[in-house]
Amino acid sequence: DSGVTQTPKHLITATGQRVTLRCSPRSGDLSVYWYQQSLDQGLQFLIQYYNGEERAKGNILERFSAQQFPDLHSELNLSSLELGDSALYFCASSTDRTAYNEQFFGPGTRLTVL
Amino acid sequence: GDSVTQMEGPVTLSEEAFLTINCTYTATGYPSLFWYVQYPGEGLQLLLKATKADDKGSNKGFEATYRKETTSFHLEKGSVQVSDSAVYFCALSEPSGAGSYQLTFGKGTKLSVIP
Repeated sequence: DSGVTQTPKHLITATGQRVTLRCSPRSGDLSVYWYQQSLDQGLQFLIQYYNGEERAKGNILERFSAQQFPDLHSELNLSSLELGDSALYFCASSTDRTAYNEQFFGPGTRLTVL
Repeated sequence: GDSVTQMEGPVTLSEEAFLTINCTYTATGYPSLFWYVQYPGEGLQLLLKATKADDKGSNKGFEATYRKETTSFHLEKGSVQVSDSAVYFCALSEPSGAGSYQLTFGKGTKLSVIP
């Protein structure tokens, strides 16, 4: 158990819909990273928040957004969903004090868009 | 930009066989290098890491050495077990100007170990 929790575990929805994925980091970790894992693109970094503020953006679509709340949990919002958004979405948390700090991954949310 | 290339699987080995999974990287600076493992139905777990040239990371019988001259970080294990069956990801982290340490991953190598 990494100490990072993600809900829901599975999500099935239709094209055009909007969903919210939730992540609670390990106690004490200020940084939350979101990654998308798909068969064709592999594991890709989407976005990072540190102590409530956006710190870096990767290959995140404009239809996607995220935020981190004062209690440090984070939500990833995916809107106008397309079939190609079906993937595993992971969050990871870290202290981020150095470049070699471990990122601890949650179990993921599997999104299926029908 | 940064990139990681690792041998694509699947790789199937018999128990007690020697394992090598090749990984090479491209980076602008001096990245930290990682191997993560993903067991079926689970998230990723850090297997080992190395933070500078010639560092050797090791854990659970797995080893990898940071080779700057060949920009490589190959994963090895002398004798694999059925329980090592998983997907292995090579990754690097290079701090951005904003102090972000996002991971850049290879495509993953699926290892199956048969008794």
